[in-house]
Amino acid sequence: QVQLQESGPGLVKPSETLSLTCAVSGYSISRGYFWGWIRLPPGKGLEWIGSISHSGTTYYNPSLKSRVTISVDTSKNQFSLKLSSVTAADTAVYYCARRKVTPYFNYWGQGTLVIVSS
Amino acid sequence: QSALTQPASVSGSPGQSITISCTGTSSDVGGYNYVSWYQQHPGKAPKLMIYDVSNRPSGVSNHFSGSKSGNTASLTISGLQAEDEADYYCSSYASNNTLVFGGGTKLTVL
Repeated sequence: QVQLQESGPGLVKPSETLSLTCAVSGYSISRGYFWGWIRLPPGKGLEWIGSISHSGTTYYNPSLKSRVTISVDTSKNQFSLKLSSVTAADTAVYYCARRKVTPYFNYWGQGTLVIVSS
Repeated sequence: QSALTQPASVSGSPGQSITISCTGTSSDVGGYNYVSWYQQHPGKAPKLMIYDVSNRPSGVSNHFSGSKSGNTASLTISGLQAEDEADYYCSSYASNNTLVFGGGTKLTVL
C-alpha cells in the first residue's frame, strides 16, 4: 500500500523559506510516476503547486514558479518542497501526492498545516 | 492560469441526484480529456473519485459519474447518501504540463 507523509515546520516567519518533505513508503520513487505538492488555504480551494518526475523533471504553477523549488531524493525515497519569500497568503494545509502518467493524484498524504506568522 | 469555475454550493435530499459543474477554457477542460474529481471531508485528504473525465477508480461507488461537453465538465452523484456530504473539487490538465483546480463546491445533503 502506497503511503505518503509530509513533515516540516508548522510555523514560518514572513519573508523566510517554507521547507517540507514527503516520505514515500510502499513504492520506490525511482520506479516512476510523478510526485506533486498541492495546498489548501483556509476558506479557499485546492491549488496545485508543482510536480516532479522520478528523474527530476519539474513542472510548476506559473503563479508560484519564481518562488518554488521541488526536488527528489531517490536514495531516501522522498521529495521536497521549498517556497521562498513567504507571506500570510501562503498559510495553508500542504499535501503531497502521487500523480499518474495521466494527470490525476491517486495517493495523498494526510496534509500538514503551515502557518506564516511572525 | 485561472482556477476552474465551480458553484460554491449545491444541495439535495437523500436519494436525489445532483450535478456539479466545472467550467474552464479551451486551454484546459476543453482541450484535453484529463478532468478529475476529488471528494474532501473536513480535516481529511482529498480522495480521487473520477479521472480522465469519466473513469472511476477501483472502490469508488458507481453512483458517482463524470462527463464533459466543450469547456464544461460535470460530476453527477445519483442516489445521494448522507456520507456524500463533502467538498468536491475538479481538476484539469492545462497547457505546458500544468494542472489547475476548481474553487470547490460544498455539497449539503438535506
